[in-house]
Amino acid sequence: QVQLQQPGAELVKPGASVKLSCKASGYTFTSYYMYWVKQRPGQGLEWIGGINPSNGGTNFNEKFKSKATLTVDKSSSTAYMQLSSLTSEDSAVYYCTRNYYFDYWGQGTTLTVSS
Amino acid sequence: DVVVTQTPLSLPVSFGDQVSISCRSSQSLANSYGNTYLSWYLHKPGQSPQLLIYGISNRFSGVPDRFSGSGSGTDFTLKISTIKPEDLGMYYCLQGTHQPFTFGSGTKLEIK
Repeated sequence: QVQLQQPGAELVKPGASVKLSCKASGYTFTSYYMYWVKQRPGQGLEWIGGINPSNGGTNFNEKFKSKATLTVDKSSSTAYMQLSSLTSEDSAVYYCTRNYYFDYWGQGTTLTVSS
Repeated sequence: DVVVTQTPLSLPVSFGDQVSISCRSSQSLANSYGNTYLSWYLHKPGQSPQLLIYGISNRFSGVPDRFSGSGSGTDFTLKISTIKPEDLGMYYCLQGTHQPFTFGSGTKLEIK
């Protein structure tokens, strides 16, 4: 069965960077785009961007272009999202989700940016 | 960006009710190939969103047939017949035709 595994939580200091992971299993990793979605507390869902694991090609919401970097490791079927220059505005749950219609989702990583 | 206006924000229901949720987009979601990328999700507290409907009206694997989607162009509807306790939560639509992909603001389905 398709699974996307994400760490439950990350705590980082303001100004730092963090690399969130999403380990895929149960399907051919390179066959489907991987997307990332942000949800701030009490807010709705926001699309960050996506990556083609086959060739590393990316597309982004312009709002996140300078904030997020997307990569993959095909050998471990893992997608990564690095977030830089973190502020309190980056505190949120980050989900990875597969395919252009977001059919399977990870459980989400709760990122807390605090000193 | 394509704005997706989702209504209502809140939907108080009784079990067994039938309800509809609407999503309207600021431009047509049909692409030049005739495909329309409009999906619906249910998001329960403490869980990740789950796909219900994709491509306007296609039920995802395992989704009960009391969920149905319809619409075209800029106007889309999710219908839920015979509401059950497990249907409570936040519903979102997503347009995946135009980048950036954009979600509706959500509809909270809750008990009266």
